[in-house]
Amino acid sequence: SYELTQPPSVSVSPGQTASITCSGDNLGDKYTCWYQQKPGQSPVLVVYQKTKRPSGIPDRFSGSNSGNTATLTISGTQAMDEADYYCQAWDTSTHVVFGGGTKLTVL
Amino acid sequence: EVQLVQSGAEVKKPGESLKISCQGSGYSFTSNWIGWVRQMPGKGLEWMGIIYPQDSDITYSPSFQGQVTISADKSISTAYLQWSSLQASDTAMYYCARLSSSGLDVWGQGTTVTVSS
Repeated sequence: SYELTQPPSVSVSPGQTASITCSGDNLGDKYTCWYQQKPGQSPVLVVYQKTKRPSGIPDRFSGSNSGNTATLTISGTQAMDEADYYCQAWDTSTHVVFGGGTKLTVL
Repeated sequence: EVQLVQSGAEVKKPGESLKISCQGSGYSFTSNWIGWVRQMPGKGLEWMGIIYPQDSDITYSPSFQGQVTISADKSISTAYLQWSSLQASDTAMYYCARLSSSGLDVWGQGTTVTVSS
């Protein structure tokens, strides 16, 4: 079965750039999404189709994807961005795979 | 407003059955797949399976095949997730989510299931 690997935690200082990676075989050939989940809340889609943002998501969130790695980049990180982040891809057209999640800490 | 509203928290004993629901509104419920996601306490998101309400086409994650049943009633814009015999290990938060070309773009508020003797 297809697997996605994320680092368990990433730390960043306020105002700096945070990068969260997600690796999987030939991930660059797949559409990827990223979700933000704050404590006690449902996940929220922040990036889809590798690089696009849903309406209402700040432009400090961006995505990239090539080779075996997808990256979520948060520029000018704010305290409100502290959350768990999950990458997601499709193994088949209807079989979703999630990464293990990364806890972003804004120090 | 597009939304998915899930049924309330459940507390059950091992061996009991359970069916939780997810009702869509604000869009054509039969036009999008609805997926189910498990999140055990303090853990990550796990994909359980997905249903297309128009024709009830279902795909289960191999990890959940045979463990749960996914269904839908398009007449009331509702998807369901059910268990025939709960175990303590089923204790978790369960989310439904709408699948679009953008990904899982709308999520329900989650249903907490607690299984304890």
